[in-house]
Amino acid sequence: AQSVTQPDIHITVSEGASLELRCNYSYGATPYLFWYVQSPGQGLQLLLKYFSGDTLVQGIKGFEAEFKRSQSSFNLRKPSVHWSDAAEYFCAVTHGISGGSNYKLTFGKGTLLTVNP
Amino acid sequence: NAGVTQTPKFRVLKTGQSMTLLCAQDMNHEYMYWYRQDPGMGLRLIHYSVGEGTTAKGEVPDGYNVSRLKKQNFLLGLESAAPSQTSVYFCASTPRQGVADTQYFGPGTRLTVL
Repeated sequence: AQSVTQPDIHITVSEGASLELRCNYSYGATPYLFWYVQSPGQGLQLLLKYFSGDTLVQGIKGFEAEFKRSQSSFNLRKPSVHWSDAAEYFCAVTHGISGGSNYKLTFGKGTLLTVNP
Repeated sequence: NAGVTQTPKFRVLKTGQSMTLLCAQDMNHEYMYWYRQDPGMGLRLIHYSVGEGTTAKGEVPDGYNVSRLKKQNFLLGLESAAPSQTSVYFCASTPRQGVADTQYFGPGTRLTVL
């Protein structure tokens, strides 16, 4: 079965420090990978996605992620974190629903980011 | 262009009561989804719809029903609410079912069942 693992439940960084959020996936075929961000009390917003081509993907708000097939990983990075980046981050993978051409997202359990001033 | 909206934003129910959550999108999207979000569980798919008049079960469908009578609306019903259905419910939509399509999320409905 397809799955997404985010090993870190909660990460705390200082403002201005670099950030890396880990994501590992388990999927037999070529995965299509996403990072979403959820600010407190809000819905989810897409940060970036990977489905083919360059394995380093640029997203909004200065985030990037690198797809590493050999490690089954899609880690999210940001060189310098801002206080407004405090939120919960979800990695997700798209895969086909068995027997059909429909696709659904499988989400990781999320990583909560706290930013200290 | 409001995107995806959800009604209501908050609701408190007693065990056994029924209610309907409304999701509306004004982007002419074909596909719509209902998720629930629980602490430490991420988002889990309840039901989804691939077009007007069609619905299908997701990962955790028990205790919920859905309807998609109009393309822009996707309703989630709880016939007899249980405390285990206390959660935050999110609706999402995509223009089509392409594998790389972005899902657009509503702001959520926080439901408490006492």
